[in-house]
Amino acid sequence: ETGVTQTPRHLVMGMTNKKSLKCEQHLGHNAMYWYKQSAKKPLELMFVYSLEERVENNSVPSRFSPECPNSSHLFLHLHTLQPEDSALYLCASSQDQTNEKLFFGSGTQLSVL
Amino acid sequence: QKEVEQDPGPLSVPEGAIVSLNCTYSNSAFQYFMWYRQYSRKGPELLMYTYSSGNKEDGRFTAQVDKSSKYISLFIRDSQPSDSATYLCADGVGAGGTSYGKLTFGQGTILTVHP
Repeated sequence: ETGVTQTPRHLVMGMTNKKSLKCEQHLGHNAMYWYKQSAKKPLELMFVYSLEERVENNSVPSRFSPECPNSSHLFLHLHTLQPEDSALYLCASSQDQTNEKLFFGSGTQLSVL
Repeated sequence: QKEVEQDPGPLSVPEGAIVSLNCTYSNSAFQYFMWYRQYSRKGPELLMYTYSSGNKEDGRFTAQVDKSSKYISLFIRDSQPSDSATYLCADGVGAGGTSYGKLTFGQGTILTVHP
């Protein structure tokens, strides 16, 4: 596997469910990110991790809970989501937290019913 | 006012045409500028990166930055159907320990190149 891989590719969940999104990067990078991409809106930065430490939480509701157990893996735990949370969730990595060149995964298309 | 403005299109051109994609930005602190290409059902991939005013060329692609006008452009020469994608401009303040790769993205322009 190369690059940044995300699973699952698609997820449908009810508002009372709990689910997790997974991201793995095979690039040896030290920083990882979660972005949200909604239709007709710019990419929104959600969280930034550098060497497993969260360095940015961009005013994201607590129903989104990130976890970074090591520099290669990133999770986004979801619970009691709202329909407006339906979007494409993208994971990205960069060499380190000061490097602007982001490498994205293919995303998880989330639908909240 | 959005920090980065980009016309969402859609833009449809015939194969072989020259395509011009544009963004304007309002934050004078932006120092570097990128273009990402996003195919359907894929994540964005970095296409062009520039850190200064002027032109940068890579094959059929030219990125142009005019800091005095706060205007960035991406030109695609001899466009191909395989260029059909969404093109995102992204601007950043610059490295220095606090940027956290924090890019401000435009909305994206949907481009279709038809045979």
